[in-house]
Amino acid sequence: AQSVTQPDIHITVSEGASLELRCNYSYGATPYLFWYVQSPGQGLQLLLKYFSGDTLVQGIKGFEAEFKRSQSSFNLRKPSVHWSDAAEYFCAVGGANNLFFGTGTRLTVIP
Amino acid sequence: GAGVSQSPRYKVTKRGQDVALRCDPISGHVSLYWYRQALGQGPEFLTYFNYEAQQDKSGLPNDRFSAERPEGSISTLTIQRTEQRDSAMYRCASSLYTSGPTDTQYFGPGTRLTVL
Repeated sequence: AQSVTQPDIHITVSEGASLELRCNYSYGATPYLFWYVQSPGQGLQLLLKYFSGDTLVQGIKGFEAEFKRSQSSFNLRKPSVHWSDAAEYFCAVGGANNLFFGTGTRLTVIP
Repeated sequence: GAGVSQSPRYKVTKRGQDVALRCDPISGHVSLYWYRQALGQGPEFLTYFNYEAQQDKSGLPNDRFSAERPEGSISTLTIQRTEQRDSAMYRCASSLYTSGPTDTQYFGPGTRLTVL
């Protein structure tokens, strides 16, 4: 069965610092992986996705993620965080007909 | 173009009442999905449609929950005889094609349901 684990419930970083949000998945076949961001009062916005090919994928807002099959991970990174990045981030794996989400990581950015 | 819209954005109801939540997908999108997100959790799948056909309702928690999409566009999620445990954010998403794991889902802002 598909599942996604985001081990960090809450992360606090200083503005300008680098960021890495962890995501581990469980999936029997080739995983289709996604990162979404949820800002207050907004819907979930797709940051990036991985289907195949290059294991380092670039997304919007300067985010990137690296797929590591050996570690069953798909960690999200950003070299320099901006205050506007404060939000909740969800990793998801694509099933046959729907998405399976992790429990999310809330990011706080300190000025 | 317009994104996915949902109404109402907030709904407060008393236990035992029925509620209807509406989703208006992106124009031309074939597939429509409903998810429920409890506080502190990620969204959980409820059901999805291709055009007007409900293809999978395995995520609906019990028979008080139902959904329809009669003309293959707008969808309504109905909860009968609401209970306090139904309180959650209900999210709708749509995708361009007839589902599949590679089809990007675009989410609406959600309806926050509170059952008193």
